[in-house]
Amino acid sequence: SSVLTQPPSVSVAPGQMAKITCEGTGIGRKSVHWYQQRPGQAPVMVLYDDSDRPSGITDRISGFNSGNVATLTISRAEAGDEADYYCQVWDSSNDHRGVFGGGTKLTVL
Amino acid sequence: EVQLVQSAGEVKKPGQSLLISCRTSGYDFTNYWISWVRQVPGKGLEWLGIIFPGDSDTRYSPSFQGQVTFSADKSNSTAYLQLSRLKASDTAIFYCARHKVDADDALDIWGQGTMVTVSS
Repeated sequence: SSVLTQPPSVSVAPGQMAKITCEGTGIGRKSVHWYQQRPGQAPVMVLYDDSDRPSGITDRISGFNSGNVATLTISRAEAGDEADYYCQVWDSSNDHRGVFGGGTKLTVL
Repeated sequence: EVQLVQSAGEVKKPGQSLLISCRTSGYDFTNYWISWVRQVPGKGLEWLGIIFPGDSDTRYSPSFQGQVTFSADKSNSTAYLQLSRLKASDTAIFYCARHKVDADDALDIWGQGTMVTVSS
């Protein structure tokens, strides 16, 4: 079954680039979805199918997935990007089970 | 506009049961899967399972099988999560979320969450 590992925290200076990783065996063969959760709010989908952005999501957010690592990248970080980010896949080998990464808290210093 | 509006938070005693509702609007309720997700305060997201309201096809996470029950009422476009035999460790925020298209798609629209507090 899938296990997704994210770093607990990532820090970035305003205007710089932040990368949040999501590691899992063979994750490159799956579609990875990413969610942003600001404090006190419900999660919001920011990327789907590895790198597609839903309408309304800033193009400063991008994604890549290959091998055993998926990455969410935020360019030109802003204070408003400070949030928890979760990766997620579907594990079809286990009767279609949803799997979330542990989440990464992004701090914009 | 697609919306998922959940019932208000509740305080329950250990051993009690609870039904959380997720009222949907703005799309065809019967044609989109809905997932339920739990978040213990200060912790990450945990997937509870999915339901397809069109035929009530339901799949539960092995970690929560027997503790939760999903249902859907097509007459009012509402999905439900029943929690049984509540324990203090069930204190959490519960979210419903619509799948973008298929069962293996991203969760594109989320409810606002329902806070459940279990305390004697």
